[in-house]
Amino acid sequence: GENVEQHPSTLSVQEGDSAVIKCTYSDSASNYFPWYKQELGKRPQLIIDIRSNVGEKKDQRIAVTLNKTAKHFSLHITETQPEDSAVYFCAASGDYKLSFGAGTTVTVRA
Amino acid sequence: DTAVSQTPKYLVTQMGNDKSIKCEQNLGHDTMYWYKQDSKKFLKIMFSYNNKELIINETVPNRFSPKSPDKAHLNLHINSLELGDSAVYFCASSRNGADTQYFGPGTRLTVL
Repeated sequence: GENVEQHPSTLSVQEGDSAVIKCTYSDSASNYFPWYKQELGKRPQLIIDIRSNVGEKKDQRIAVTLNKTAKHFSLHITETQPEDSAVYFCAASGDYKLSFGAGTTVTVRA
Repeated sequence: DTAVSQTPKYLVTQMGNDKSIKCEQNLGHDTMYWYKQDSKKFLKIMFSYNNKELIINETVPNRFSPKSPDKAHLNLHINSLELGDSAVYFCASSRNGADTQYFGPGTRLTVL
């Protein structure tokens, strides 16, 4: 089955700096890669996703890159703000199943 | 206008009891899921249903039995609750098995 590894497990950044989270996956058949943000006590919410026919996607301060050959994808957050503090999960999907990474706790220091 | 809803939000019960969690989605999605999130925040899929049919059952003890009366509902019944069942359980739905998943608010289950 799919195995998704996510690094780092914790990340502390100064407000205004960038944050980068990296994930690798094992199943070359995976074709959909969403990123979820989970604030304390809340549900995971989709912040950006990318499909295997695209190498990069950007939405305001958030961008995701995908390298299918190397089987890794990354989340980039620029100009971090205190409200970016949360747990971020990457995931990889084939049919009917999302396999999640273990999560990265991001803390943005004011 | 809640898209994916779950009840109850909190559930506190004794070991050995049987309990159910209900999930409903009003997005018209075909696929629904149950996830377990443990104290270390790891999200693990338990079940996936597509149009009321079980698609994925991820080595979950048979004390856990999902039921989908129609494609808008996926309930989770747990028999003989154990301490290790304490976690947050999330329901989710997607248009199909390869599309974006939307999560419910979660049910925090505490087994004493």
